[in-house]
Amino acid sequence: AQTVTQSQPEMSVQEAETVTLSCTYDTSENNYYLFWYKQPPSRQMILVIRQEAYKQQNATENRFSVNFQKAAKSFSLKISDSQLGDTAMYFCAFMKNYGQNFVFGPGTRLSVLP
Amino acid sequence: DTEVTQTPKHLVMGMTNKKSLKCEQHMGHRAMYWYKQKAKKPPELMFVYSYEKLSINESVPSRFSPECPNSSLLNLHLHALQPEDSALYLCASSQGGERYGYTFGSGTRLTVV
Repeated sequence: AQTVTQSQPEMSVQEAETVTLSCTYDTSENNYYLFWYKQPPSRQMILVIRQEAYKQQNATENRFSVNFQKAAKSFSLKISDSQLGDTAMYFCAFMKNYGQNFVFGPGTRLSVLP
Repeated sequence: DTEVTQTPKHLVMGMTNKKSLKCEQHMGHRAMYWYKQKAKKPPELMFVYSYEKLSINESVPSRFSPECPNSSLLNLHLHALQPEDSALYLCASSQGGERYGYTFGSGTRLTVV
């Protein structure tokens, strides 16, 4: 069975600064996908970024980037130039190849301070 | 249209009531999902419909009854719920599951009294 761990229950960052959220996972699968979702107070789960395990290049989406270390089973999210709208709960998620269900981490609550 | 629409946004029901949650998407996605999310916890999968057929039922009590009338619509029928069933119920859809991730709706906040 797969597990996902997020060791930081809460974090805060000043507006315009950079913050890194940690995620580690455990799996015996070789092919899988990793995701970061954010859930703001509006409740909707929004896909931030995704990474295919067979790709060595780290995914980037505008101000969001990941540091994917497959051997270490680590998948951290870096948010650059933090904005007030980034305030949300962030979930790291794993899905195996041909899977139909996410394994979510417990979440990290991020507050961006003005 | 790139959204998953859920109605109602809020619902309060008694333990003897029957109610339904509705989810709709027009992105051509062929898989749809129901998740339950308790406060400060990640979502938990309840049901998966793939090509309008129930493919996963995560041992959910029978007081929750899903229905997929067509590829764009997903319902969750509720009957004789318990107060511990109070939660946020999220619907999602996908075109390829693991490859692209899911598109989630904003959820229905359910309170059972």
